[in-house]
Amino acid sequence: NAGVMQNPRHLVRRRGQEARLRCSPMKGHSHVYWYRQLPEEGLKFMVYLQKENIIDESGMPKERFSAEFPKEGPSILRIQQVVRGDSAAYFCASSGGLAGYNEQFFGPGTRLTVL
Amino acid sequence: AQKITQTQPGMFVQEKEAVTLDCTYDTSDQSYGLFWYKQPSSGEMIFLIYQGSYDEQNATEGRYSLNFQKARKSANLVISASQLGDSAMYFCAMRENTGGFKTIFGAGTRLFVKA
Repeated sequence: NAGVMQNPRHLVRRRGQEARLRCSPMKGHSHVYWYRQLPEEGLKFMVYLQKENIIDESGMPKERFSAEFPKEGPSILRIQQVVRGDSAAYFCASSGGLAGYNEQFFGPGTRLTVL
Repeated sequence: AQKITQTQPGMFVQEKEAVTLDCTYDTSDQSYGLFWYKQPSSGEMIFLIYQGSYDEQNATEGRYSLNFQKARKSANLVISASQLGDSAMYFCAMRENTGGFKTIFGAGTRLFVKA
């Protein structure tokens, strides 16, 4: 009974490169959320997706960031032309299934470092 | 607008004693959920407890209880019989049940349990 899986766990990119972060929700979950955590801060909501739909992207920066949750496969958070300020931990969470939607189950996070 | 406030950046507690972590929130919605998460030094986010705005009784989960005072808009976490393994960051979070499942987090409280 695997939990939420994220990969890679650590990602290093140089300025200007692209970062792709993957999230596989728990089995049976159809809702995925992405959060960003800067050092010594709380989590900031970025985007909420259901299969093939972006429901709420009010926390996503307008440029360089995009997210998708295709019908098949993991959810992807894509950051183009990364800058040093993108260095953070990116958490994915999922909800739904028998547990309902009250609890969001978090993945272990991807720690992005931009050199 | 939604807001979560955790006024205690750091707290110390003696092992085996109880500790209360403060959380106040602001929302204009009548229907919402309140959550507490634990983040140990390893970085993962661990769900602790949930309280719905219409729940009349305070939520409890083992050594965790949520002191919900709706009129004061507070949702304090009480940890009884503290253990060394409780040393971690603790985040209070809120989700409004109308308009989506966006969850906002407070800045966190770092708890240190002393032997």
